[in-house]
Amino acid sequence: GAVVSQHPSWVICKSGTSVKIECRSLDFQATTMFWYRQFPKQSLMLMATSNEGSKATYEQGVEKDKFLINHASLTLSTLTVTSAHPEDSSFYICSAQRSGGAGNEQFFGPGTRLTVL
Amino acid sequence: SQQGEEDPQALSIQEGENATMNCSYKTSINNLQWYRQNSGRGLVHLILIRSNEREKHSGRLRVTLDTSKKSSSLLITASRAADTASYFCATVATSGYALNFGKGTSLLVTP
Repeated sequence: GAVVSQHPSWVICKSGTSVKIECRSLDFQATTMFWYRQFPKQSLMLMATSNEGSKATYEQGVEKDKFLINHASLTLSTLTVTSAHPEDSSFYICSAQRSGGAGNEQFFGPGTRLTVL
Repeated sequence: SQQGEEDPQALSIQEGENATMNCSYKTSINNLQWYRQNSGRGLVHLILIRSNEREKHSGRLRVTLDTSKKSSSLLITASRAADTASYFCATVATSGYALNFGKGTSLLVTP
């Protein structure tokens, strides 16, 4: 149990286009989902915390108008990178926290590699 | 904000040897977790240790936590080539629930 999927696994797009990444908890409900970004050979940086039915909470320095997050259901959160530019190229990883689960365990998706040309 | 610091940054050992990675953090924590990441892949949760615990074992993994020194260590015993990966510690502060990741240790285990 506790499987999180992401779609797509990788995407290449032109500069200026928008890209939507989906994060799904497949076998559990997740009140809270998290979005991370990871640059090559670096650690994960938390971008935002997404709560079902409410606005996401963004970390300092993350533009909420550029990285749109929607958490419309207990099993799906989406991250849309609007007007993507080459500097947005990164590995985006989501995680989900089980509703009513013990502790703070998060289950991570496999990541989405975004390359903006 | 990122607060964990792992050392060493990179570690190369031979199969059968033990690998030890250390993690230090700055604020009070609720728990500390260790994750593994294969190149270009998602994270795999290895072990969680709560602030009131001092040591935990899981298979070939042994994690210690010293809250007075704000540090933790991950020991992998009898390492295998398949253990080659990056290892991250992540803390959950007492005041929050988000994970704060360290910079990671890149482990290479050669046959």
